[in-house]
Amino acid sequence: GENVEQHPSTLSVQEGDSAVIKCTYSDSASNYFPWYKQELGKGPQLIIDIRSNVGEKKDQRIAVTLNKTAKHFSLHITETQPEDSAVYFCAAAQGAQKLVFGQGTRLTINP
Amino acid sequence: GAVVSQHPSWVICKSGTSVKIECRSLDFQATTMFWYRQFPKQSLMLMATSNEGSKATYEQGVEKDKFLINHASLTLSTLTVTSAHPEDSSFYICSARHPGLAGVETQYFGPGTRLLVL
Repeated sequence: GENVEQHPSTLSVQEGDSAVIKCTYSDSASNYFPWYKQELGKGPQLIIDIRSNVGEKKDQRIAVTLNKTAKHFSLHITETQPEDSAVYFCAAAQGAQKLVFGQGTRLTINP
Repeated sequence: GAVVSQHPSWVICKSGTSVKIECRSLDFQATTMFWYRQFPKQSLMLMATSNEGSKATYEQGVEKDKFLINHASLTLSTLTVTSAHPEDSSFYICSARHPGLAGVETQYFGPGTRLLVL
């Protein structure tokens, strides 16, 4: 089955700097890669997703890149703000199959 | 956007009692919903897939008689923790599969329910 590895487990950046979180997956058949942001005590919130027919997708300060050959995808947050502090999860799925999540990255933005 | 609600947001119960958690898709119909469990500082663990009008599919190691799932309508799935024990204390989160545009499905999560069994 699918296995998703996420790095780093914790990340601390200065406000205004960029943050990058990386994930690798094992199943080459996976074609859907969402990213979720989870604040303390809340459910995960979908922030961006990408499908295997594109290599990059951007939404304001957030972007995701996908390298199908290497089987890895990354989340990029630019101009970080204190409200970006949260735990971020990547996930992978094949079509309508269940999501397989990474271990999560605790992002801290230092003012 | 797609909104998924859960009720209650938190519950405290005595050991041996049963607790029911509701998951609703508020502005879309969801033929498939998922139930997750999350321990502190850990990732989400899928417990079961709930399909409207049919039996839920449980992940390996999840007791179906312990965690009863009912998906009676296209907007409601319920998880009942039967004969709860302290080790069942956790954060339970549901998600619903949104059909999306042009058949591109996306999964949206509820706010979670924190269960504490005394």
